[in-house]
Amino acid sequence: AQTVTQSQPEMSVQEAETVTLSCTYDTSENNYYLFWYKQPPSRQMILVIRQEAYKQQNATENRFSVNFQKAAKSFSLKISDSQLGDTAMYFCAFMKQNPTVMEYGNKLVFGAGTILRVKS
Amino acid sequence: NAGVMQNPRHLVRRRGQEARLRCSPMKGHSHVYWYRQLPEEGLKFMVYLQKENIIDESGMPKERFSAEFPKEGPSILRIQQVVRGDSAAYFCASSATGSNTEAFFGQGTRLTVV
Repeated sequence: AQTVTQSQPEMSVQEAETVTLSCTYDTSENNYYLFWYKQPPSRQMILVIRQEAYKQQNATENRFSVNFQKAAKSFSLKISDSQLGDTAMYFCAFMKQNPTVMEYGNKLVFGAGTILRVKS
Repeated sequence: NAGVMQNPRHLVRRRGQEARLRCSPMKGHSHVYWYRQLPEEGLKFMVYLQKENIIDESGMPKERFSAEFPKEGPSILRIQQVVRGDSAAYFCASSATGSNTEAFFGQGTRLTVV
């Protein structure tokens, strides 16, 4: 079974500064995906960024980037130039990669989340 | 193209009543997932369904909970004889295929048992 651990229950950052959220995971799988989701007060789950384990290059989406360390099973999220709208709960999630012909489902395993507050 | 639609957004039930949560997947999606989010926790997988079939119910409580995804209409998560501990946010997600594709989430249903 896979587990995902987010060791920071809460984080704060000043507007325009950079913040890094930590995530570690445990799996015996070699092929998988990792995700960061944002959940604002509206409760909508919004995909922030996605990383395929077979890719060595770290994923980047505008102000969001990850530091993926496969051997260490670490997947941190860096938010640059933080904005007030980034205030939310952030979840790290793991999904096993399935053989394409077998539809086992895209089941996600989530961490407990980190509340990020951006201060003006 | 409408996203995943869940209703109701909020549901209040008294202990012992039944709760029915509905989820309409994105257009063209035939794979549905239900997750539960207890207060101060992350989302926990409950069940994965395709049209008319339950594929993986490894996260479903053994009693009182059931799910269906009929050929026509939305997916339904049913909780019978609700208890206070069932109070949570229930999220539905859908995907276009059952392998290696992104699942899109609805806004969730917040169930409160009084």
